[in-house]
Amino acid sequence: AQTVTQSQPEMSVQEAETVTLSCTYDTSESDYYLFWYKQPPSRQMILVIRQEAYKQQNATENRFSVNFQKAAKSFSLKISDSQLGDAAMYFCAYRYGQNFVFGPGTRLSVLP
Amino acid sequence: DAGVTQSPTHLIKTRGQHVTLRCSPISGHKSVSWYQQVLGQGPQFIFQYYEKEERGRGNFPDRFSARQFPNYSSELNVNALLLGDSALYLCASSYQLGVVNQPQHFGDGTRLSIL
Repeated sequence: AQTVTQSQPEMSVQEAETVTLSCTYDTSESDYYLFWYKQPPSRQMILVIRQEAYKQQNATENRFSVNFQKAAKSFSLKISDSQLGDAAMYFCAYRYGQNFVFGPGTRLSVLP
Repeated sequence: DAGVTQSPTHLIKTRGQHVTLRCSPISGHKSVSWYQQVLGQGPQFIFQYYEKEERGRGNFPDRFSARQFPNYSSELNVNALLLGDSALYLCASSYQLGVVNQPQHFGDGTRLSIL
């Protein structure tokens, strides 16, 4: 069964600093997609970034980038120049077929 | 354009009752998925519907059922409610089936509390 693990229940970062959130997953598939979603207190899940497993190049979206290590089944999220608005729960998700599997989440606090 | 809309926002029920949650996808989106998010955990997949047919089902009991209407909106029904059904229920839509690089767009969820 596909599983997603986020080993850091909580993280904190100073405003303007950089933080990395960890995610590992388990799969026997070769073609899949990985996502990071952000869930602020408003509850809506917001897509942050996505990565195609067949692409070696790490995805980047403005201040957000990933370090995708396919052999290690690792998919970490780096947030640069952290802002107060980045404070939220962050979920790593794996998509196979039509189903998404989410990790348990990491709560990120941004300190002023 | 409106995003994914869910109703109601909050709901309080007692054990043994039945509940119906509603979801309207983004205009043009044909696929709707339902997730249960227990407090402090990540969302758990319940169902996916596409073109009014069930295309995927998670590990949930038969008390959970859903359907999709011709306008692509969807209902999630839960019978014989248990205390453990208390959760945030999220609906997500995407344009079509079979395109795995498509992200899902989520609604704000329905917070269901069972007393």
